[in-house]
Amino acid sequence: EPEVTQTPSHQVTQMGQEVILRCVPISNHLYFYWYRQILGQKVEFLVSFYNNEISEKSEIFDDQFSVERPDGSNFTLKIRSTKLEDSAMYFCASSEVPGELFFGEGSRLTVL
Amino acid sequence: DQQVKQNSPSLSVQEGRISILNCDYTNSMFDYFLWYKKYPAEGPTFLISISSIKDKNEDGRFTVFLNKSAKHLSLHIVPSQPGDSAVYFCAANKLGGKLIFGQGTELSVKP
Repeated sequence: EPEVTQTPSHQVTQMGQEVILRCVPISNHLYFYWYRQILGQKVEFLVSFYNNEISEKSEIFDDQFSVERPDGSNFTLKIRSTKLEDSAMYFCASSEVPGELFFGEGSRLTVL
Repeated sequence: DQQVKQNSPSLSVQEGRISILNCDYTNSMFDYFLWYKKYPAEGPTFLISISSIKDKNEDGRFTVFLNKSAKHLSLHIVPSQPGDSAVYFCAANKLGGKLIFGQGTELSVKP
């Protein structure tokens, strides 16, 4: 069964460092997303991406965040200068049509 | 502004009985509703969905009911099994828009 894969599963970084989280969406999907879940809180939308551009982003997704689809398979989330409050589980998702998202297993980011 | 709310943080049910998970929403523009199941240290897994033109959708042991006038949906699991123990998230969106998640309800099914 096709699945969304994410790497790394866990990343520990120092505050102020750049982090790149990688995702390989399901191959025939056209819509890509990043969500995050801070420990004990709800799953929050960060950004959606379609046709090689951001289609929607949340208030959380400020100038420190960027997304890229550098080739036909990868979808990355970059955090330029990490803050303590960026520590969370980051989930990549993809969908063939808007609405029914398939999520990866998540990348846990710990900022020290 | 919590547009999707799950007011019960936890639910405990005996194996074989029905589990009913509830969700309320405030945005009348939502037209697609989904339930996701999440195990610890894993991503949410899509379970079942319903569009606003329906009031019921069934898939095996799982049934989702939508009451648009009350802005309420529920997930019924019958019969409940210990393997159903997980956190269940309700989510909603407008066509093509972002998914808004509820806070989740942790279901525990006891043997």
